[in-house]
Amino acid sequence: RKEVEQDPGPFNVPEGATVAFNCTYSNSASQSFFWYRQDCRKEPKLLMSVYSSGNEDGRFTAQLNRASQYISLLIRDSKLSDSATYLCVAQGGKLIFGQGTELSVKP
Amino acid sequence: DVKVTQSSRYLVKRTGEKVFLECVQDMDHENMFWYRQDPGLGLRLIYFSYDVKMKEKGDIPEGYSVSREKKERFSLILESASTNQTSMYLCASSPPWGAAYEQYFGPGTRLTVT
Repeated sequence: RKEVEQDPGPFNVPEGATVAFNCTYSNSASQSFFWYRQDCRKEPKLLMSVYSSGNEDGRFTAQLNRASQYISLLIRDSKLSDSATYLCVAQGGKLIFGQGTELSVKP
Repeated sequence: DVKVTQSSRYLVKRTGEKVFLECVQDMDHENMFWYRQDPGLGLRLIYFSYDVKMKEKGDIPEGYSVSREKKERFSLILESASTNQTSMYLCASSPPWGAAYEQYFGPGTRLTVT
């Protein structure tokens, strides 16, 4: 079993849609969690950290459920520029990356 | 802006060759990392370093070694390249553990071993 698991997608959605990505992690000792974004043929970049209380950054909302070892990312009002792969990351010492969920936003 | 640079974007090498991948960061970060990224497998940690001359094995160190002689530079070495080392290699750096934990990645080196 992978330490961090994500649905690889692809998720194909129209502009303006709301889309949610889910992620589970197996190591209950993981302390911090993040979402990274990776554009095609580019390097990953930090999108946002994930806090237990949930946090929001514009159209993006991240949630953490420690009891279920589950992390989510919600994107509202999708834009064409949101098309990318979204990587779920757990930190317990080093970072453990999920394999990524591909999002394609269509006009 | 933090900048992490890698010596090559694309590299083609023959089986058995010794390969050096160089990474330089300009933010005085203590931690540096080497990953490989393969379709369906995601990012996997090869080696990391938390200080000059220090190194730690990651999840898949076999067939690789590293060198960190200066704080800003972290090199990945393939002693004898094999076809199963064909991959995208990503270098990253970060502040020390316990700080706001963002890893900054270089643009990657796509290595093909023939």
